[in-house]
Amino acid sequence: AQSVAQPEDQVNVAEGNPLTVKCTYSVSGNPYLFWYVQYPNRGLQFLLKYITGDNLVKGSYGFEAEFNKSQTSFHLKKPSALVSDSALYFCAVRDMGDDKIIFGKGTRLHILP
Amino acid sequence: GAVVSQHPSWVICKSGTSVKIECRSLDFQATTMFWYRQFPKQSLMLMATSNEGSKATYEQGVEKDKFLINHASLTLSTLTVTSAHPEDSSFYICSARRAGTSGSAGELFFGEGSRLTVL
Repeated sequence: AQSVAQPEDQVNVAEGNPLTVKCTYSVSGNPYLFWYVQYPNRGLQFLLKYITGDNLVKGSYGFEAEFNKSQTSFHLKKPSALVSDSALYFCAVRDMGDDKIIFGKGTRLHILP
Repeated sequence: GAVVSQHPSWVICKSGTSVKIECRSLDFQATTMFWYRQFPKQSLMLMATSNEGSKATYEQGVEKDKFLINHASLTLSTLTVTSAHPEDSSFYICSARRAGTSGSAGELFFGEGSRLTVL
C-alpha cells in the first residue's frame, strides 16, 4: 500500500526567502505524485504533478517540485515566498496500479512579512 | 480548469436526522468520484470511491450503512450521512477525476467542502 510522509507540521519562512516543504513517499510500483494547497474552510487546489520525465516539475503560482527517486522524495519549492502563500499544503501519491490518491497529513506554511 | 461544485457548504442538523451532500462536476464528466473526511488540523481521510453506475467501494472502518454514496450520473455523486450524531461533525470533501484519465495520472479536482455540524 502507498503512503506519504510530510515530516514538518509547520514551516515558517520570511517573505522573499526561498521555501521548501518536504514530502517522502512509499509505493510498490511507479508513483504519480501531487501537491495540493488548501486555504481555510476551502477545498483543495491542484498545484502540480509528476508523472514521468523531467524530475523538476513546475506548477501554479510559481511553485515547483523535484522528484528524487533514490530518496523517494518530492519536495515542494518556491524561490521567493509571498505572504499569500500561507496555507496548508498536502503532498499526495498514487500508485500507478491503483486508483486511489493518498494524502500526507499536511504542512502548514507561514510566510512572515 | 475543471470545476467541482459541492453543496451545501455549511449544514447544521439535529442528532438523528439525515443529511445529503451533493458533488457535481460542472464542466466535465467524472466516472470516478472520491469522498474524503477531514478532521480539524488533520489530513484528508479517504472514505469511499464512487463509480458511476455501480456500488461505492468503502475504505476499511467506514460504515457503508452510515455513509450512503450514490453516483447516479457522470456528473453527480451524493453522500448521505444517515442518523447523524455529533461525532459525525466534520468537513467532508468530494473530488472527481475526469473521465478517460484513470489510466493516466489523472489529478483530482476538489469541491469546496461541506462543513457538517450535528447538534
